[in-house]
Amino acid sequence: GAGVSQTPSNKVTEKGKYVELRCDPISGHTALYWYRQSLGQGPEFLIYFQGTGAADDSGLPNDRFFAVRPEGSVSTLKIQRTERGDSAVYLCASSRGLAGAETQYFGPGTRLLVL
Amino acid sequence: KQEVTQIPAALSVPEGENLVLNCSFTDSAIYNLQWFRQDPGKGLTSLLLIQSSQREQTSGRLNASLDKSSGRSTLYIAASQPGDSATYLCAAATSGTYKYIFGTGTRLKVLA
Repeated sequence: GAGVSQTPSNKVTEKGKYVELRCDPISGHTALYWYRQSLGQGPEFLIYFQGTGAADDSGLPNDRFFAVRPEGSVSTLKIQRTERGDSAVYLCASSRGLAGAETQYFGPGTRLLVL
Repeated sequence: KQEVTQIPAALSVPEGENLVLNCSFTDSAIYNLQWFRQDPGKGLTSLLLIQSSQREQTSGRLNASLDKSSGRSTLYIAASQPGDSATYLCAAATSGTYKYIFGTGTRLKVLA
């Protein structure tokens, strides 16, 4: 079956613009995570969904960042008024069941560059 | 607050050598620990998942151990090959949170 997919693979935008990043998890996976990875660093947790609800959004850096998963499958990470410091690779992962107990499967990421 | 550290940051070895990558974590109350591989410009691939009740996991030439009391995990790679060249990341899921905290990784280069 298909793995986790993310679109777009690359996004270049200007400072102050709004962007949406999409994640399609593996079919049937109830847990979905968003991470952000800067160059030379490990992924940094942003938000975790169990089903449709955000079970933990403690990693979102500020209120410019928002994520939704309205039907418990596809998720969208939304960034308002982008800043140059938002440039990073945004990774999505999904797991079959209870988060932490199951292997997380990662997508290839979206490389965001804010000019 | 959980912190995960990986040593060394980079490692270069000749083909065929056995090697050990180290991961340490500050909060021993973890749910599990997972080792990942990341190739340049790619996402992460899960290698091994060790539950908190387990001491080690093996897959092919890879063996991961977990010692919660000392806050350490090691990834052992036997008979390394050039195809093993990648960045290896460990991540700990702290009990009660279910989110992974990642280390900064070890960049491995296996020379032919």
